[in-house]
Amino acid sequence: DGGITQSPKYLFRKEGQNVTLSCEQNLNHDAMYWYRQDPGQGLRLIYYSQIVNDFQKGDIAEGYSVSREKKESFPLTVTSAQKNPTAFYLCASQGRYTSGSRDTQYFGPGTRLTVL
Amino acid sequence: GIQVEQSPPDLILQEGANSTLRCNFSDSVNNLQWFHQNPWGQLINLFYIPSGTKQNGRLSATTVATERYSLLYISSSQTTDSGVYFCAVEETSGSRLTFGEGTQLTVNP
Repeated sequence: DGGITQSPKYLFRKEGQNVTLSCEQNLNHDAMYWYRQDPGQGLRLIYYSQIVNDFQKGDIAEGYSVSREKKESFPLTVTSAQKNPTAFYLCASQGRYTSGSRDTQYFGPGTRLTVL
Repeated sequence: GIQVEQSPPDLILQEGANSTLRCNFSDSVNNLQWFHQNPWGQLINLFYIPSGTKQNGRLSATTVATERYSLLYISSSQTTDSGVYFCAVEETSGSRLTFGEGTQLTVNP
C-alpha cells in the first residue's frame, strides 16, 4: 500500500553522536519535506527537496543535513552540532496534479528522538 | 515570511457540541490545508482549501482568500475529534507550507 514510512519510531542518542532518520515514500511524489515539532508547538521546516539531487534549507536547518539520491528516499541526519535535538520529527511528501498545481502534503508517522 | 495565526489556542467541548476554529494569514496564498494531529502524533489531511467551501461528513471548511482567513467547523463533536488542529499555508511566491501553532481540542464524554 501507498504511503510514507519513517524509521525508527523512537530513537535515543547520546550527546555528541550523529543519528540518521529514515523517510521513504512510494507515492511517486517529487517533493519531500522534514519538519521538527516541539511539545505544544507547531511544525517548523528543517529542509525540503523539490527534485532528486536538489534540496533547500528551511527555517531551522542548522545542525541538520539531508540527501536526496533517490526519488523515494529523503534521510535526515541530526548532527552533534544541533544543540537541542530532542523533538518529534515528521517527514512529508507532495505530488502535483497533471495541471501542474500542487497536491496536498502527506505525512509519515514520525520519529521521536531523545538525547540522553 | 508569511504569518499564520490560529484561534483559539485551546478549546474544551462536551460531546455533541459544535465548534469553529479560525486561521488568519498575513499574505496571499496558493494553498491552504487543515490537518488533525491525533494523540499519537500522526497528521491527517482534512481539507485542501485555498478558497471556497468544502464539506466532509461532520467537518466543513471555508476559506475567504481575499480577507485572508479560513474557518474549520466541527459539528456534533465526538471524543475521537480530540487532538490538535493545524492550519498551513503556501505563499504565492513559495513552494513550502508554513504552519500555525494549532488549536488543542478536547472533547469530553
